[in-house]
Amino acid sequence: DSGVTQTPKHLITATGQRVTLRCSPRSGDLSVYWYQQSLDQGLQFLIQYYNGEERAKGNILERFSAQQFPDLHSELNLSSLELGDSALYFCASSVVAGDHEKLFFGSGTQLSVL
Amino acid sequence: GENVEQHPSTLSVQEGDSAVIKCTYSDSASNYFPWYKQELGKGPQLIIDIRSNVGEKKDQRIAVTLNKTAKHFSLHITETQPEDSAVYFCAALATHSGGGADGLTFGKGTHLIIQP
Repeated sequence: DSGVTQTPKHLITATGQRVTLRCSPRSGDLSVYWYQQSLDQGLQFLIQYYNGEERAKGNILERFSAQQFPDLHSELNLSSLELGDSALYFCASSVVAGDHEKLFFGSGTQLSVL
Repeated sequence: GENVEQHPSTLSVQEGDSAVIKCTYSDSASNYFPWYKQELGKGPQLIIDIRSNVGEKKDQRIAVTLNKTAKHFSLHITETQPEDSAVYFCAALATHSGGGADGLTFGKGTHLIIQP
């Protein structure tokens, strides 16, 4: 168990809808990363928050947004969903280890858009 | 930007045999190379990592080797067991750019199957 909690585990919705994915980082970790995993694209970095502030942005669509709350949990909002948004969404928290960060991933949310 | 290629995409080995997964990277500035194991229904988990100032690192049955000149690194698993069945991802990071995990570039993954 990584200590990172993600809910829900599975989400089935229809095109055009909006969903919210939730993540609680490991106790004491200030940083939350969001990733999308699909069979053809692999693990793609979406966005990072650190202590409530956006720190880095990756390949995140404009239809997607995220935020980190004062209690450090984070939410990823996906709107105007398309079939191609079906994927596994992971969040991870991180710890600094010298000159780099080590990631601890949650178990993911499997999103199916029908 | 960095490009990480991983091979093979699927690897099937007999229990007890060794397994080798290879990755190549393009950015000569990359100096940190972690490996992640993803079991079914779980998120990726860091299993071993290596810095560019080290040629090899070992942890029990797993080892990672790095060839900086050729820009490739490999994961070696010896005496494979059923619980080694999983998807393995390599990644590369140039820590001079801050060391943040947003700079990690992942390979596409290798599905390792251990045949009993």
